[in-house]
Amino acid sequence: DAGVIQSPRHEVTEMGQEVTLRCKPISGHNSLFWYRQTMMRGLELLIYFNNNVPIDDSGMPEDRFSAKMPNASFSTLKIQPSEPRDSAVYFCASSLLAGANVLTFGAGSRLTVL
Amino acid sequence: AQTVTQSQPEMSVQEAETVTLSCTYDTSENNYYLFWYKQPPSRQMILVIRQEAYKQQNATENRFSVNFQKAAKSFSLKISDSQLGDTAMYFCAAIDNNAGNMLTFGGGTRLMVKP
Repeated sequence: DAGVIQSPRHEVTEMGQEVTLRCKPISGHNSLFWYRQTMMRGLELLIYFNNNVPIDDSGMPEDRFSAKMPNASFSTLKIQPSEPRDSAVYFCASSLLAGANVLTFGAGSRLTVL
Repeated sequence: AQTVTQSQPEMSVQEAETVTLSCTYDTSENNYYLFWYKQPPSRQMILVIRQEAYKQQNATENRFSVNFQKAAKSFSLKISDSQLGDTAMYFCAAIDNNAGNMLTFGGGTRLMVKP
């Protein structure tokens, strides 16, 4: 298995632009998570899905952020419009809902908003 | 809600020596899991070790072992025979089974292994 695949690895954009981050979870995993990592706030859970359904989005900073999971093999995190304070590394992770509860992380997407 | 606290922002150890990273957590649940993840400069999050709260025996993975003190809500990581490749950020994390698989992280400890 190729693991959790995230794209792009790096994104540099200007304030006000729309940003879309993508994630392909491990095949067979039915829970998917989006985390954000910054120096100031560490690792924060933004949202997670079970069986493609959003369960908890209380970590989503504001209405500029949205996430979708249209099927079991794909999820997006969108920021519109982007702001410099959104600069961070965004991680996607997946796991089995039942069982050992081990989250497998993607390599992350480093976002820089100028 | 869970909280996870790592009180050591940075630590260093000489190669081949042993180092212990501290972690405390707070949860009202009885059924939960605890983890240590490693994040090297490549920024990939790598699972180091896992402990089920209902197991009294401390988990061990090669040179990595934990000291799980359930009553004290303490979960420290011991790295034996430290290697240069162990240099990384280490995150303690907890999952409460009653809150889905939400993983709550501590603030991390930056470990430097010196030659």
